[in-house]
Amino acid sequence: GQNIDQPTEMTATEGAIVQINCTYQTSGFNGLFWYQQHAGEAPTFLSYNVLDGLEEKGRFSSFLSRSKGYSYLLLKELQMKDSASYLCAVRDEGGAAGNKLTFGGGTRVLVKP
Amino acid sequence: GAVVSQHPSRVICKSGTSVKIECRSLDFQATTMFWYRQFPKQSLMLMATSNEGSKATYEQGVEKDKFLINHASLTLSTLTVTSAHPEDSSFYICSARDRLGQGTYGYTFGSGTRLTVV
Repeated sequence: GQNIDQPTEMTATEGAIVQINCTYQTSGFNGLFWYQQHAGEAPTFLSYNVLDGLEEKGRFSSFLSRSKGYSYLLLKELQMKDSASYLCAVRDEGGAAGNKLTFGGGTRVLVKP
Repeated sequence: GAVVSQHPSRVICKSGTSVKIECRSLDFQATTMFWYRQFPKQSLMLMATSNEGSKATYEQGVEKDKFLINHASLTLSTLTVTSAHPEDSSFYICSARDRLGQGTYGYTFGSGTRLTVV
């Protein structure tokens, strides 16, 4: 099975940096995704990590350590529009499991002026 | 890029009736479709996985006779909520994957359907 944990809520100030952690214990691993989701909308893809290390994409970066079952999403130069939920999702290894994505509970980030 | 069109975006139905939600892949062949449900302030919970031409595989605790999934073609999958009750009110989202894993590492989400059962 999959167990994915992330904080429920975080608050940060506009222009600041916020780091959202995600830890996972899974029976199989074939990559970790981060999505942004605004209320009432579908998730939007942010990043994908399958190898250890840091992936940088503009203001967003994501880090993965497979040995520690740990990832984080780093949001820099926060903007008001970054207020949203951020979902960590782990992909299993496929086969009978079908390459499913299992989502963590999501972290609601509130950016204050 | 890969696009999945999901309809309706919102639906209100009476308790006891059935509602059908459609997801169409517009520019690729969706060999696999994942159906998720999301309650307010919660994350996405996988309900079932369907492969084109095969019966869907349901997650534990999801009633297959209540949530009927049809994936008869490579571009269309439907979820029918039968005999809907107020507790079925939720946000339903599909996610399509093609054989090559195109799109954002192979997962293209529909825009979601807000179901309210009154």
